[in-house]
Amino acid sequence: DAKTTQPNSMESNEEEPVHLPCNHSTISGTDYIHWYRQLPSQGPEYVIHGLTSNVNNRMASLAIAEDRKSSTLILHRATLRDAAVYYCIEGTSYGKLTFGQGTILTVHP
Amino acid sequence: GAVVSQHPSWVICKSGTSVKIECRSLDFQATTMFWYRQFPKQSLMLMATSNEGSKATYEQGVEKDKFLINHASLTLSTLTVTSAHPEDSSFYICSAKERSHYNEQFFGPGTRLTVL
Repeated sequence: DAKTTQPNSMESNEEEPVHLPCNHSTISGTDYIHWYRQLPSQGPEYVIHGLTSNVNNRMASLAIAEDRKSSTLILHRATLRDAAVYYCIEGTSYGKLTFGQGTILTVHP
Repeated sequence: GAVVSQHPSWVICKSGTSVKIECRSLDFQATTMFWYRQFPKQSLMLMATSNEGSKATYEQGVEKDKFLINHASLTLSTLTVTSAHPEDSSFYICSAKERSHYNEQFFGPGTRLTVL
């Protein structure tokens, strides 16, 4: 079963930053935090992952709490194309991912 | 970036027939492939994990005789839904992992199966 909890939905305006929270209070010391997103009728797309340190890539930033019980995915400037379901997942290095319900992000023009 | 394709993108079949879905890694060797199923307005549910050259590992509640998975090469995995019924209608998605990017899964675009 999914072990992370996320808000069901969030809204943002275009070109504004978006902070998507995730709680993973029972995460083990070796599990990574993965973020994927899924557009309607498409397969999920990798966004970012991290273990302990904050991470940045061309798509987003991932801020991980010091106790690792929560994290926040940051989209620095939301665009209409960022509207999707965002999944926060605890995962082992060998790859099994258990998807929860995710957060539906709506971006307003 | 790594690309995963699925074929067909959609299929409609009659109840009782079998349907094969292909998942290919186009520009990398996939040491592990995963098959997921997604019903409307629900999240993805992992069905099985397959490693090249070995038998698939099925998740609890997934019938291995109904959902046959073959991972014959490092670039191809197939899912066959045998004797499909309307309740098998769903969005089937595969993903693949590359050895050098062990923390990232590359997902296919999905296959929409409708069983009449």
